[in-house]
Amino acid sequence: EAQVTQNPRYLITVTGKKLTVTCSQNMNHEYMSWYRQDPGLGLRQIYYSMNVEVTDKGDVPEGYKVSRKEKRNFPLILESPSPNQTSLYFCASSSDRVPLNIQYFGAGTRLSVL
Amino acid sequence: AQSVTQLDSQVPVFEEAPVELRCNYSSSVSVYLFWYVQYPNQGLQLLLKYLSGSTLVKGINGFEAEFNKSQTSFHLRKPSVHISDTAEYFCAVSDRNDMRFGAGTRLTVKP
Repeated sequence: EAQVTQNPRYLITVTGKKLTVTCSQNMNHEYMSWYRQDPGLGLRQIYYSMNVEVTDKGDVPEGYKVSRKEKRNFPLILESPSPNQTSLYFCASSSDRVPLNIQYFGAGTRLSVL
Repeated sequence: AQSVTQLDSQVPVFEEAPVELRCNYSSSVSVYLFWYVQYPNQGLQLLLKYLSGSTLVKGINGFEAEFNKSQTSFHLRKPSVHISDTAEYFCAVSDRNDMRFGAGTRLTVKP
């Protein structure tokens, strides 16, 4: 079954404690992306990757890092989380190098930073 | 850069009534338009997309949308809604390099 898998689904942490949210897709997609969803703001792109070792900033990259060492995985790293990063995070992938066919989103990771 | 405005944050309707969720966009280049649905506690699912060709696009679950270039709109419609259509709906626009989402419209279908 084609899917994008995020872990964990829920995470509560404290300010400054480094964390990683994993994202994996089993469709051999080249394009992957991270979004955060906040009430009244919709989804905003954090980072995206068009291929292995190619990543670029989205609209709200501050406080986040990503890596793309292999095609299937695209982890999101918060080196020093702060309360304003409390949000719902989604990973997505596309069969194109550009986001024309984003059909697959992960189920989401709800993060609370205390 | 492009942007998306969803004109209604909440739309309550009764079951079997028609519904229209409105979306306007702005862009200086050719765009590609999408509607996604998010059911409670789930990720987004693609409902339909407009890339080129016919301006009337049919999607899953009986939804359709019409691309209107002169009015820069891409409104989503369904002639008769079901309780199960209760969800949040997002309009999105892409210029091939970047995808922007609207703030979402919460559709609530009442019995």
